[in-house]
Amino acid sequence: AIQMTQSPSSLSASVGDRVTITCRASQGIRNDLGWYQQKPGKAPNLLIYGASNLQNGVPSRFSGSGSGTDFTLTISSLQPEDFAIYYCLQDFSYPWTFGQGTKVEI
Amino acid sequence: QVQLVESGGGVVQPGMSLRLSCAASGFTFNNYAMHWVRQPPGQGLYWVAVISFDGTTQYYGDSVKGRFTISRDNSKNILFLQMNSLRPDDTAVYYCARPPVGGDQIDNWGLGTLVTVSS
Repeated sequence: AIQMTQSPSSLSASVGDRVTITCRASQGIRNDLGWYQQKPGKAPNLLIYGASNLQNGVPSRFSGSGSGTDFTLTISSLQPEDFAIYYCLQDFSYPWTFGQGTKVEI
Repeated sequence: QVQLVESGGGVVQPGMSLRLSCAASGFTFNNYAMHWVRQPPGQGLYWVAVISFDGTTQYYGDSVKGRFTISRDNSKNILFLQMNSLRPDDTAVYYCARPPVGGDQIDNWGLGTLVTVSS
């Protein structure tokens, strides 16, 4: 199975900060990657698909980039509602695999 | 609107079996592949299994292969997960999930059902 390594595992930031989270695949996955936000007690919410495509309804401060093995999720100006855990998910091949998550804290 | 409602969770002893169900509504069920994803308490997400729109193809995560079986009843719009030989590390919230129209990833999730494997 393809391994997805996310970094950092947690970070502290302030409102207005630019935040970057990375995900590295153990082999090339083209651009077959999505990013999710999860808040406590809730199901995950899809933010980005195809590595860089913004899901409908997701604020434009979220963006994704990358291809092959290295991917980035960027939040351009952190808002109070963005404090959550973020996961990447590769859909290049089965079994799909998630990164271990990045907790964004105040 | 899309609704996915899981049921069947509970407390079970190690080695026992459990079957989860997911009732789907608000979309044409037999047009979509369907997934199960789980999340142990306080931990990250783990992709469990997928079944094709017509039920002919299934794939599984390495940790559940050979023990879990995903299936569907397209006449009743229900997704199933048969879990055998359960282990304590199978303890998790199990989510039923659907991909977006014409794409991959997952854009619709149920609320989840908690499975606890404990003696």
